[in-house]
Amino acid sequence: AQSVTQLDSQVPVFEEAPVELRCNYSSSVSVYLFWYVQYPNQGLQLLLKYLSGSTLVESINGFEAEFNKSQTSFHLRKPSVHISDTAEYFCAVSREYGNKLVFGAGTILRVKS
Amino acid sequence: DVKVTQSSRYLVKRTGEKVFLECVQDMDHENMFWYRQDPGLGLRLIYFSYDVKMKEKGDIPEGYSVSREKKERFSLILESASTNQTSMYLCASYPTPGQGVYEQYFGPGTRLTVT
Repeated sequence: AQSVTQLDSQVPVFEEAPVELRCNYSSSVSVYLFWYVQYPNQGLQLLLKYLSGSTLVESINGFEAEFNKSQTSFHLRKPSVHISDTAEYFCAVSREYGNKLVFGAGTILRVKS
Repeated sequence: DVKVTQSSRYLVKRTGEKVFLECVQDMDHENMFWYRQDPGLGLRLIYFSYDVKMKEKGDIPEGYSVSREKKERFSLILESASTNQTSMYLCASYPTPGQGVYEQYFGPGTRLTVT
């Protein structure tokens, strides 16, 4: 069985500071990894994904995540956050390209001015 | 743009009532999902469907059933609502793998309160 651990339930950070949201997974087979974001009062949106190839993946709004197989991690980073990045972020794992996702508990990112 | 809509944003029901949550997607996706979202627990899969009239249990199916009579519509049914089913319910859809799309598309959610 797969599981996902997001190590921080809340991360407060000042605007323009760097941030890292941590995600570790456990699985006995190869997996595909995802970060979803949920802005207040909205559904989830895909932020970025790792399927294969380069272990560093990037989103269009400046986030990046690195797949580390040896540490079974997929941490999300951004070098400089904005107020508009305030949201809840979910790490998820799948054996099937994005079908049948298993989600972590979520990390609330609060960006303060 | 893929659109997943849910019939209600907020719903208040009484204990013991039968509750229907409706979800509709407009992209001809084969796979549809129902999750519940609770603080500190993330999203947990209740049921999913990979084709019309087909369904499979997820991780927490107890107390729920589903119906998929048409490809675009997936309904979640609470046969007899209980207070521990107060939660946010999210629907999602996903195309057949191999179409080059590897993300689930989510609806805005229905916040259900059972009193």
